[in-house]
Amino acid sequence: GAGVSQTPSNKVTEKGKYVELRCDPISGHTALYWYRQSLGQGPEFLIYFQGTGAADDSGLPNDRFFAVRPEGSVSTLKIQRTERGDSAVYLCASSQQGWLEISEQYFGPGTRLTVT
Amino acid sequence: AQKVTQAQTEISVVEKEDVTLDCVYETRDTTYYLFWYKQPPSGELVFLIRRNSFDEQNEISGRYSWNFQKSTSSFNFTITASQVVDSAVYFCALRRGTSYDKVIFGPGTSLSVIP
Repeated sequence: GAGVSQTPSNKVTEKGKYVELRCDPISGHTALYWYRQSLGQGPEFLIYFQGTGAADDSGLPNDRFFAVRPEGSVSTLKIQRTERGDSAVYLCASSQQGWLEISEQYFGPGTRLTVT
Repeated sequence: AQKVTQAQTEISVVEKEDVTLDCVYETRDTTYYLFWYKQPPSGELVFLIRRNSFDEQNEISGRYSWNFQKSTSSFNFTITASQVVDSAVYFCALRRGTSYDKVIFGPGTSLSVIP
């Protein structure tokens, strides 16, 4: 079946602009995660959703960042008033969670955001 | 606090050599999970292995093997007879033993296999 998809694959925007990044998880996966990966570093957690609600948004760097998942499937990460420091690859992952079992997070290809 | 350290930033080996990637983790949890991911030049993270904190058995999968030692908080990854296709950045990661939780990644080790 299809994996996690993310659009756009690349996004170039000017400082101060608003951007939206989209993630389509694997069908049926209840958990969805956003990570940010800066050049030469490992991914850093931003936020995760259980269904429609944000279960943990402790990784969002500031209030310019916001994410939604209104129907429990597709998620959108929104960044207002972008800054050059926001340039990074934004990764989305999803997982199918059973009651007591842990399951792997499957990652999408990422969106490379460049703020000029 | 949880933390993952990968002291080797970059490693270069000649094809067919064996190579070990080191990973040291910190956690106060008694139940946790350790992972290795591969990120080839294409950029997509590829899951390699998951190990829970109660299972210290070493694991082998083809040319890959993993050595988990709780006494030293290490989860090292060895590639035997390396190949050019193994060139990638490898991330060790840690996750708490709860149903839903974020993965804490190490900084990664960039492996170059030279033909």
